[in-house]
Amino acid sequence: NAGVMQNPRHLVRRRGQEARLRCSPMKGHSHVYWYRQLPEEGLKFMVYLQKENIIDESGMPKERFSAEFPKEGPSILRIQQVVRGDSAAYFCASSFDRSPTNEKLFFGSGTQLSVL
Amino acid sequence: AQSVTQPDIHITVSEGASLELRCNYSYGATPYLFWYVQSPGQGLQLLLKYFSGDTLVQGIKGFEAEFKRSQSSFNLRKPSVHWSDAAEYFCAVGATGGFKTIFGAGTRLFVKA
Repeated sequence: NAGVMQNPRHLVRRRGQEARLRCSPMKGHSHVYWYRQLPEEGLKFMVYLQKENIIDESGMPKERFSAEFPKEGPSILRIQQVVRGDSAAYFCASSFDRSPTNEKLFFGSGTQLSVL
Repeated sequence: AQSVTQPDIHITVSEGASLELRCNYSYGATPYLFWYVQSPGQGLQLLLKYFSGDTLVQGIKGFEAEFKRSQSSFNLRKPSVHWSDAAEYFCAVGATGGFKTIFGAGTRLFVKA
């Protein structure tokens, strides 16, 4: 699990600012998944990316949220014009396989976003 | 609708005491069931899983869980808790598991000496 790196650990933004969350997958993994955990709720799937492609964004809010996974560098989850309701823990996971079983999904330790 | 409920937000047990964390699910068919643990500063780690067969499943770190279809439950147990077990525990459910697994809100376990 220590192989999936997320930064920053904590991010504080004021309403209207942009938030950028980074996820570096485990070495050799080309599939990345983002999840959001709102207060007192479970993790919810947001988006699945493979290098340079969005595979499944069925859990992504339609506005203000975007994600990318460039050929080089980490995956970025970007939230524009943040609102207080965006305050949550954002987790990233990675896998080697396209349709991994749970044993083959490796999670990062998350980024806690706080919007003032 | 598919959902997972963990009724206890937090639980405190004494070191050496037994532990049971509750999990109830709502799912149309026989689900795939999972328990994860998140230790401080770490990512989620899979403790155990149930797909079919024996309803009592063994996991890592001495944990076990029992699937009870009649109660729609998948409670996690450990006979003797260690201080290092202090963490957050997530129950999860899915049709086949994988990245669209549905997670509960978690139960935070505190262990007192």
